[in-house]
This record gives sequence, structure tokens and C-alpha cells, in this order.
Amino acid sequence: AQTVTQSQPEMSVQEAETVTLSCTYDTSESDYYLFWYKQPPSRQMILVIRQEAYKQQNATENRFSVNFQKAAKSFSLKISDSQLGDAAMYFCAQMNRDDKIIFGKGTRLHILP
Amino acid sequence: DTAVSQTPKYLVTQMGNDKSIKCEQNLGHDTMYWYKQDSKKFLKIMFSYNNKELIINETVPNRFSPKSPDKAHLNLHINSLELGDSAVYFCASSQTGSQASYNSPLHFGNGTRLTVT
Repeated sequence: AQTVTQSQPEMSVQEAETVTLSCTYDTSESDYYLFWYKQPPSRQMILVIRQEAYKQQNATENRFSVNFQKAAKSFSLKISDSQLGDAAMYFCAQMNRDDKIIFGKGTRLHILP
Repeated sequence: DTAVSQTPKYLVTQMGNDKSIKCEQNLGHDTMYWYKQDSKKFLKIMFSYNNKELIINETVPNRFSPKSPDKAHLNLHINSLELGDSAVYFCASSQTGSQASYNSPLHFGNGTRLTVT
């Protein structure tokens, strides 16, 4: 079965500090994609970062990086130098080659000034 | 039990046709959404209904019309389909209410892949 689990419903981090959001998944496929989406109050979904499973190198986008552990089926998101604008809901998602995508339930991130 | 279910999973149709995608949630949530996922996997919100009232209506062609017969259903009707409408459409729901905030968890359906030929 294809599943995505975000075990942290809420997290808080001090401004300028680093925070890591956890995500684990399960799929029978060997080739797939992983995503992190950010959802601000507008309810829009913003693609933060993506990782292709066949690439061993962890994806990085400015202050956002992932720790992709394929064997452990883990895909955590690290946000460095946290800013107030990073406060949002974050969704982890996993997509197989047939384009079927499954979302986690989300982690609400608070940034403390 | 599937919390948010969309039908059909796949929809292949010709240009100019009218089609509908149905969405039902059994979570008792008061807010439902439609998102469109493009080929680059960007998800864009299209509509949001709270207790059967339209609260978010992003800039989408008026060929797209959401219909919410009750709190548990939000259907998407598309008239005069165009090639560019081909995408995956996701339905979602959440409990917003007076106590919950915009940050209440969002539950997604499995998506409907629409292909217009």
C-alpha cells in the first residue's frame, strides 16, 4: 500500500533557528518522487522541494533541504534560519511513476519571534 | 472507509465535451476544496466551499463550475473542455468552523486524472 505519515501534527521553532519536519512513507515501487508542499493561510499549495528516488543526493532549495533515506523510507525537511514567513502547514507527498500521489496529514509549523 | 473519495479516478474525453468530477467526504468537515495539479506537480487551489457557500474562487475559466449540494459533497463541472484542462484534480476537506483555524489538517482525495484529446 502507498502511505505517507507525518508524525508531528505541530512544531515550533525560534526565529533564525533550524527545524526538521519528519515524513515516512511506504510504496512497493522502486522509482518514485517525493515532495514537500507549504500551505499558507490562503490554502494555496506551494511546492517547496522535490526529490527523485533514484537520485542519492539530497535535494536543496535555498534554506530548505531534505534528508532522504531510501532504505528507511524517510524524507525529512530541514528549514535553516527559520523566518516568520515560514509559518504554515507543510505536507509531505509521495508519487509513483503512474502519477498516483498520496499526501500526509500535514505538520503545522509555528515560528516564535 | 475512504475519508475523501473522488470519482472517477480516470477520465478521458474529447475537446468540447462537458464532464463532471464528484467528491464526497465522510469526515463531517465543513469546508471542501478543489485543486488542480499541473505537469510540473504544482498544486493550485481553484475553489473552496464552507458549509455550501463559496469562499475561495481563484482565477479559473468560468467553464469550471463547482456545485455543493450539501456539506459532504463538492462536485466540479467543466464545460467545453480544452486540451489545457488535462491535469490531475484533487478534492480536499478540512474542519474550519469557528474554533479551528486555517491550519486545520487537510485531507486529500486520491485525485482524478483528466485527459482531454
